[in-house]
Amino acid sequence: QLQLQESGPGLVKPSETLPLTCTVSGGSISSSSYYWGWIRQPPGKGLEWIGSIYYSGNTYYNPSLKSRVTISVDTSKNQFSLKLSSVTAADTAVYYCARWFTSSWHLDYWGQGTLVTVSS
Amino acid sequence: QSALTQPASVSGSPGQSITISCTGTSSDVGSYNLVSWYQQHPGKAPKVMIYEDYKRPSGVSNRFSGSKSGNTASLTISGLQAEDEADYHCCAYAGSSTWVFGGGTKLTVL
Repeated sequence: QLQLQESGPGLVKPSETLPLTCTVSGGSISSSSYYWGWIRQPPGKGLEWIGSIYYSGNTYYNPSLKSRVTISVDTSKNQFSLKLSSVTAADTAVYYCARWFTSSWHLDYWGQGTLVTVSS
Repeated sequence: QSALTQPASVSGSPGQSITISCTGTSSDVGSYNLVSWYQQHPGKAPKVMIYEDYKRPSGVSNRFSGSKSGNTASLTISGLQAEDEADYHCCAYAGSSTWVFGGGTKLTVL
């Protein structure tokens, strides 16, 4: 059974960079059938797509976050990562990593999510 | 790229049917057959209920159905059950390998 697990700090200071890693187990991140993505959800609000990455390293970002987001992949560790720079309180959210199934373009597996709070 | 528009809340009694709308533009919902719907219970990760506008993943009840007309997609839940109480999110392809979600709808089963 495929599992995704987010890891990273639960508290980040304003203006700093938020780093998160998603570890994939039970399947290979290098499969050509999938993209891997980050989605966030501010407390009490809806979901927001942050960006996606293919195992080859091709990346796609939300235009509203593009200037602050970097997503990378490490196939040797079966992991992909998110870095969000210059964070503010508005970046406080539960961050999810998930898998896009490219045959039908939907998110079929999700991590449990990790709450990241931006505060001094 | 603006968020898709969903009603903040809907409600229905057990056994009834409800419909949740998801309105986008001709650049996202109206251009591609790639709307998906996700159910999210409190404190849990979302779960896909509908993909490619109307298709149901294996294991999802046939009480859930999806449709689309123009720039508005809809999720209908028939024979409401207490376990259907959750938040529902729509998601659509917006072109250039980008995606947009709706604001989410809270379903209350009365």
